[in-house]
Amino acid sequence: DTGVSQNPRHKITKRGQNVTFRCDPISEHNRLYWYRQTLGQGPEFLTYFQNEAQLEKSRLLSDRFSAERPKGSFSTLEIQRTEQGDSAMYLCASSLGPGQGADGYTFGSGTRLTVV
Amino acid sequence: AQTVTQSQPEMSVQEAETVTLSCTYDTSESNYYLFWYKQPPSRQMILVIRQEAYKQQNATENRFSVNFQKAAKSFSLKISDSQLGDTAMYFCAFTKRNNDMRFGAGTRLTVKP
Repeated sequence: DTGVSQNPRHKITKRGQNVTFRCDPISEHNRLYWYRQTLGQGPEFLTYFQNEAQLEKSRLLSDRFSAERPKGSFSTLEIQRTEQGDSAMYLCASSLGPGQGADGYTFGSGTRLTVV
Repeated sequence: AQTVTQSQPEMSVQEAETVTLSCTYDTSESNYYLFWYKQPPSRQMILVIRQEAYKQQNATENRFSVNFQKAAKSFSLKISDSQLGDTAMYFCAFTKRNNDMRFGAGTRLTVKP
């Protein structure tokens, strides 16, 4: 297993376009998380999945954002009608399930989105 | 809601010296987990050290150790014998049983030769 994989690494899009990012977690990890990180700030929680179920969504996740994890494996994060304020690094992380809090998360390298 | 505060936006240290990064948090929970993550420039975030709140003993990982003060809700990271490769953003983080980990704003550490 090569860790958490995110694609693409960089995405430049025009305002108003839709974008989709993909995350492939560590195979034995049940939980998958999406975070957003702007320059010089810590990651902000967006949403997380336990297997295929989306268990929590942050208020940061407006109705233009949608995340899926079909079959409990990889996940996609889609942003519709992108705005310049969406420009950020989108981080994916995975972890073992409940009761395994001490293990922490394994992060991917992120997808850097630039909206022009 | 849990909040994590890192009051030092930037710090620097000479190579081979020791530096301590501060972190405080706010929670009403009694059992939780605390972490320090390192994010080198343009590279992915990696776990440095973890602490379980019910353990009184401070965690240690080679040159990295923490000072966990539960009553004070303080969780500082000490880096001994600093190396140039320690230059990075350091984030303090809090979670309950792997639910939506909360991060501080980070401390940018520069190790000078």
